Amino acid sequence: SAVISQKPSRDICQRGTSLTIQCQVDSQVTMMFWYRQQPGQSLTLIATANQGSEATYESGFVIDKFPISRPNLTFSTLTVSNMSPEDSSIYLCSGGLAGSGNEQFFGPGTRLTVL
Amino acid sequence: AQSVTQPDIHITVSEGASLELRCNYSYGATPYLFWYVQSPGQGLQLLLKYFSGDTLVQGIKGFEAEFKRSQSSFNLRKPSVHWSDAAEYFCAVNNNNDMRFGAGTRLTVKP
Repeated sequence: SAVISQKPSRDICQRGTSLTIQCQVDSQVTMMFWYRQQPGQSLTLIATANQGSEATYESGFVIDKFPISRPNLTFSTLTVSNMSPEDSSIYLCSGGLAGSGNEQFFGPGTRLTVL
Repeated sequence: AQSVTQPDIHITVSEGASLELRCNYSYGATPYLFWYVQSPGQGLQLLLKYFSGDTLVQGIKGFEAEFKRSQSSFNLRKPSVHWSDAAEYFCAVNNNNDMRFGAGTRLTVKP
């Protein structure tokens, strides 16, 4: 299994600012993902973080709003840009091996509140 | 497109009672199914997974799940619930690294 850490664990931000969330995996994974979990909701996939290339975004999410980097196999960042109160959510990073039969391992999440 | 339905938003059981959380999936081929648990303020922890073989799958913390193709279901069970099981439970299906989650079932455990 993989152990995934995220920083920061929580933050309170002002409208119009940006926050970068870091995700570190303790072992090499082939796939890394970013999810959003709005209050009381399930997880929604934002994008798949691709090593050394642009992330693959899901419908409804765009690179200008959620730029993602993955410079190597074990590290990725998600930036929430030009934040509004609607961006208040938990943001979760996950990683795993490629293949449908493989589970994803999740970080503890970053709880973001935008005022 | 694949989807997962968890019909029960919230379930309350007494400590020591049995538990069953329902999950139905919609998917054309053999599904790869997972149950995760999320305690308050925590990330998701894998309880168990199914992708082939025996339809009754054993997981951690005394949980098990049964895959029933005829009913498109993958229900999670535990014979005796502990107070520490109070959490949010998510069923998920994975198709080629596209993992879709159900809406979740919140479990409350009464003393």
